[in-house]
Amino acid sequence: SQQGEEDPQALSIQEGENATMNCSYKTSINNLQWYRQNSGRGLVHLILIRSNEREKHSGRLRVTLDTSKKSSSLLITASRAADTASYFCATRTSGGYNKLIFGAGTRLAVHP
Amino acid sequence: GAGVSQSPSNKVTEKGKDVELRCDPISGHTALYWYRQRLGQGLEFLIYFQGNSAPDKSGLPSDRFSAERTGESVSTLTIQRTQQEDSAVYLCASSWLQRLYNEQFFGPGTRLTVL
Repeated sequence: SQQGEEDPQALSIQEGENATMNCSYKTSINNLQWYRQNSGRGLVHLILIRSNEREKHSGRLRVTLDTSKKSSSLLITASRAADTASYFCATRTSGGYNKLIFGAGTRLAVHP
Repeated sequence: GAGVSQSPSNKVTEKGKDVELRCDPISGHTALYWYRQRLGQGLEFLIYFQGNSAPDKSGLPSDRFSAERTGESVSTLTIQRTQQEDSAVYLCASSWLQRLYNEQFFGPGTRLTVL
């Protein structure tokens, strides 16, 4: 079964607006990663946040992690049409192997 | 450098046939992973290779699914007696094993359609 749940399932915004996606998970984690997928094919790694970190920035991306609530959020600021894609959070659980457990994703549409 | 490659990019087969999907990881990546993604859903973990051995096969859905890896490089995922519910995109990823906090690099996937 999947570890994470993302919300919203779909998000539609205008260029220039900010987009916020949320992710919840169920078990203890080593780290949480966000990936982007265009057109239902290969995923691209966006950002990784470790379990002992609370916030991380990369360009227009801001990720927060609240391990007490087992949740994370991804904020994309000043969105562009090219940001249109599906966004997935993935968790690496504590211990065990390196496999990632993915949520169902948020489909983001940014309109010009 | 070259990324993860997968072949074929698309495969259409008839129910009951066997299929083989290939993954070429990034050179030097010791860890290799297979995932399955059904339409509109997230990725389901199938199997993890560390070198040529598979310490975690917990995601393989049935004994019709098997995978192998040779030379700590190429991996093949085989699905025997395909069923319509096997239709999905099969994604391969690789990563360094030595890094504690590792990102996975994904291939473009193979879209499998079972008629």
